[in-house]
Amino acid sequence: QKEVEQNSGPLSVPEGAIASLNCTYSDRGSQSFFWYRQYSGKSPELIMFIYSNGDKEDGRFTAQLNKASQYVSLLIRDSQPSDSATYLCAAIHTGGFKTIFGAGTRLFVKA
Amino acid sequence: SAVISQKPSRDICQRGTSLTIQCQVDSQVTMMFWYRQQPGQSLTLIATANQGSEATYESGFVIDKFPISRPNLTFSTLTVSNMSPEDSSIYLCSVREDIEKLLFGSGTQLSVL
Repeated sequence: QKEVEQNSGPLSVPEGAIASLNCTYSDRGSQSFFWYRQYSGKSPELIMFIYSNGDKEDGRFTAQLNKASQYVSLLIRDSQPSDSATYLCAAIHTGGFKTIFGAGTRLFVKA
Repeated sequence: SAVISQKPSRDICQRGTSLTIQCQVDSQVTMMFWYRQQPGQSLTLIATANQGSEATYESGFVIDKFPISRPNLTFSTLTVSNMSPEDSSIYLCSVREDIEKLLFGSGTQLSVL
């Protein structure tokens, strides 16, 4: 069973803090990993993707991948109330074309 | 980025009826994906629609319940047939951008009474 697992939260952080979102995956053949953000009542939108072990930074967002531990994370620095949303971790297996989503973590950033 | 137009945006239907959801993309795409998002849940892939061939359905989804058409490279429809309250959900079409990243339509919020 190819699964992506996340803590559903909610995760609550104060404005300006670092929010840390975590995800594990069961399929060792997964090679591509994504973080989508979904505001309430809206469609998911891609915010980060990572293919290689290590860190990838884009503005306030850092994605981290550890393939040995089958672990993906998203750090949001200087969290803003506008970051309050559900964050979906997703993965694609090697040679596959299906994107499998985790259940999502709800993040609340308190002003 | 491609632009995806999905309609209707929402509908309220009676049980036993069917609803067809349309998805139009402003560029040609090989694969289109249909997802379901039940209240408070994540996205579950229903099927992958390729132009010129039958859709490929995921475990738990069948063609009789969710027939899909893909007449060309820019358009697809998903029909939710013989609806029951359990079909109340958000239905999303999506396409691949830059090989692996998904772009989503605005979604169809379906309520079945």
